[in-house]
Amino acid sequence: SQQGEEDPQALSIQEGENATMNCSYKTSINNLQWYRQNSGRGLVHLILIRSNEREKHSGRLRVTLDTSKKSSSLLITASRAADTASYFCATVPYNQGGKLIFGQGTELSVKP
Amino acid sequence: KAGVTQTPRYLIKTRGQQVTLSCSPISGHRSVSWYQQTPGQGLQFLFEYFSETQRNKGNFPGRFSGRQFSNSRSEMNVSTLELGDSALYLCASSPIGGTDQPQHFGDGTRLSIL
Repeated sequence: SQQGEEDPQALSIQEGENATMNCSYKTSINNLQWYRQNSGRGLVHLILIRSNEREKHSGRLRVTLDTSKKSSSLLITASRAADTASYFCATVPYNQGGKLIFGQGTELSVKP
Repeated sequence: KAGVTQTPRYLIKTRGQQVTLSCSPISGHRSVSWYQQTPGQGLQFLFEYFSETQRNKGNFPGRFSGRQFSNSRSEMNVSTLELGDSALYLCASSPIGGTDQPQHFGDGTRLSIL
């Protein structure tokens, strides 16, 4: 069963705006990861945040993790048309490193 | 370094047939995981192989099976295909499948069942 739930399911913004996506999960985790998927392609790893971390940055990406609320958010700043894709959060169940549990994803559309 | 390679990219089968999908991981990666992606169920974990042994398994029927070879290449087999098996099947690899290792995905095999 899916562990992560994402919100919103779809998001449409203009280039230059920020995009925020949220993810909630159900059980204890080792870490939470965010992936991007362009249409018809595989997933690309964006960022990993460990359960003892609260915030992490990578370029225009900022991820937060609140383990007390079992939630995470991904912020993409100054979005570009090339950011148009589906974004998924994924959790790693305790001690099951090769297994990712994905949320349903957020479909982001960035209009030029 | 070459990425994860999945073959074939597209496949059309009919109900009742069986199918084998192939995945070549990134060189040096020993953990290979398989996922099924459908519009209704999203991305679901099928199984993970490490050093030729199945290490984790998702909640799929026994018709779904896999194996891993000594060179870490992996195959996934689905027998007695059903219409609901139509999906994008994704393979991912990582060095040892450690909990803090991101997975590297191939572009998938799109399987259509007629």
